[in-house]
Amino acid sequence: LAKTTQPISMDSYEGQEVNITCSHNNIATNDYITWYQQFPSQGPRFIIQGYKTKVTNEVASLFIPADRKSSTLSLPRVSLSDTAVYYCLVGSNDYKLSFGAGTTVTVRA
Amino acid sequence: DAGVIQSPRHEVTEMGQEVTLRCKPISGHDYLFWYRQTMMRGLELLIYFNNNVPIDDSGMPEDRFSAKMPNASFSTLKIQPSEPRDSAVYFCASSDPGTGASYEQYFGPGTRLTVT
Repeated sequence: LAKTTQPISMDSYEGQEVNITCSHNNIATNDYITWYQQFPSQGPRFIIQGYKTKVTNEVASLFIPADRKSSTLSLPRVSLSDTAVYYCLVGSNDYKLSFGAGTTVTVRA
Repeated sequence: DAGVIQSPRHEVTEMGQEVTLRCKPISGHDYLFWYRQTMMRGLELLIYFNNNVPIDDSGMPEDRFSAKMPNASFSTLKIQPSEPRDSAVYFCASSDPGTGASYEQYFGPGTRLTVT
């Protein structure tokens, strides 16, 4: 499983866009990039997954450059309820997920 | 669907006792995962099943831990004997990679285990 590196924490304010960049220099050809969100006292929740270029859903966007050695999760117009830990994961078809320390995002009023 | 169901939600037991955690995956999901989360070690994959068959148990910490999946709708994680260092939140997750999002796992609410 490719190792990922992401910031330990980020602070933001309500209504701002939050961008979390994850580095995965050793990503393999078959690997997908997946992001999860975890609120206190809850299990992680799938946010978005991508292989290349850009993926967007109702919650977030995922930007992946051509070399795929990094990716950026973009959360538009965050609210207090977006305060959580965000995990970047890289994996291929064995369906195993390896969670790192994640990025603690704190949204302030 | 009610989502992944885990029981009990909280368990307090004494060192040396047997502990059994239970999980009911989402109907139709053919992958089931057991994770453990602690402050020190984060979220760790213990074992996962595909169609009720254990595929990878390399994350199981030692022989005191065992997991079974007797049918598609039920799995157990057993610790015998339990030790204080087993205190953690244990999550069960299930997935159906055939629907397209290969890494979309659905997590249960977790079981908070405290071993005194």
